[in-house]
Amino acid sequence: GENVEQHPSTLSVQEGDSAVIKCTYSDSASNYFPWYKQELGKRPQLIIDIRSNVGEKKDQRIAVTLNKTAKHFSLHITETQPEDSAVYFCAASIPAGTASKLTFGTGTRLQVTL
Amino acid sequence: GAVVSQHPSRVICKSGTSVKIECRSLDFQATTMFWYRQFPKQSLMLMATSNEGSKATYEQGVEKDKFLINHASLTLSTLTVTSAHPEDSSFYICSAVRGLDEQYFGPGTRLTVT
Repeated sequence: GENVEQHPSTLSVQEGDSAVIKCTYSDSASNYFPWYKQELGKRPQLIIDIRSNVGEKKDQRIAVTLNKTAKHFSLHITETQPEDSAVYFCAASIPAGTASKLTFGTGTRLQVTL
Repeated sequence: GAVVSQHPSRVICKSGTSVKIECRSLDFQATTMFWYRQFPKQSLMLMATSNEGSKATYEQGVEKDKFLINHASLTLSTLTVTSAHPEDSSFYICSAVRGLDEQYFGPGTRLTVT
């Protein structure tokens, strides 16, 4: 099955700096890569996603890049703010029938300090 | 759009009793919903895939007779933890699939078995 690795496990940046989280996946059949933000005790929220036919996608301060050849994708957050502090999960999905299951990375705890 | 509710948000039950958790997609129909379990400071672990009108598909190691899943309509899936034990205490989160593969999560249910 699919295996997703995520690094780093913790990341501390100063407010205004950029943060980058990297993930690798094992199955070349994966074609959908969402990123979720989870605050303590709350639900994971979909913040951005990318499909395998696209190399980069941007939404305001958040961007995701995908390198299919190397099987890795990254989340970039620019001009970080304290409210960006949370745990971020990457995921990969292999198309399968009626609905595709997500395989999650282990998460990155981002701390934005003042 | 893409709002998913989950009820109850917290439940405490005695060992040996059963607990039912409901997951609803409020503004879209979801043929497929997923049930996850999340331990503190860990990633989401997929338990089962819930398909409307058919039997759920369980991940390896998840007891289907202990975690009963019913997906009676396109907006509701339920998870019943039967004969709960303290080791079943966890954060249970559902997700509903919109479109092909976009998963939107419920707020989670924190189950404590005493």
